[in-house]
Amino acid sequence: EVQLVESGGGLVQPGRSLRLSCAASGFTFDDYAIHWVRQAPGKGLEWVSGISWNGGTKGYADSVKGRFTISRDNAKNSLYLQMNSLSAEDTALYYCAKAIAATMNDAFDIWGQGTMVTVSS
Amino acid sequence: EIVLTQSPGTLSLSPGEGATLSCRASQTVSSSYLAWYQQKPGQAPRLLIYGASRRATGIPDRFSGSGSGTDFTLTISRLEPEDFAVYYCQQYGSSSLTFGGGTKVEIK
Repeated sequence: EVQLVESGGGLVQPGRSLRLSCAASGFTFDDYAIHWVRQAPGKGLEWVSGISWNGGTKGYADSVKGRFTISRDNAKNSLYLQMNSLSAEDTALYYCAKAIAATMNDAFDIWGQGTMVTVSS
Repeated sequence: EIVLTQSPGTLSLSPGEGATLSCRASQTVSSSYLAWYQQKPGQAPRLLIYGASRRATGIPDRFSGSGSGTDFTLTISRLEPEDFAVYYCQQYGSSSLTFGGGTKVEIK
């Protein structure tokens, strides 16, 4: 079964850091780009970051640029998101999503169930 | 950054009726790199349409997508009870991907 499972979310104080992980199974991980998408409670979807199949191309939303870092370990079939200088505006459910192709510029055909990040003192 | 504006915000319809959802981009979406997703409460989004008009695997043919440039449409020919949900468009043709704000299709 093709699956993405996120972990690492939780309650964190403003200004602190958190690292999210996404474990992939059921497909050849290093054939595809992978992305992070977040959804604040009761709000719409916001693309956060994406990484190409080999990590050679990365992209970030302006709202997280300079604070978040995306990475992947193809040997471990895993995707990561290092989040620094967190603020209340980063509170959201964070999904990882698989792109249809190897490059970042494609739609997302597989989604995880998300991991919740709450930034509060 | 390409801004996507979806309309209407909410669509109130009855099962069996047709639905037309609009997505307008602030700039041309290159190569029709436009997708549509369906999201139900408590669930992750599901890909319906990509490349503006290509149905994803397993998506019923009552869902269709059309458009190019800056104007795109998702059409649901006859609403089934399971189609009542929120729909998002997404452009993936630029270096910064973006989603529209969503259209909620609710039961009238």
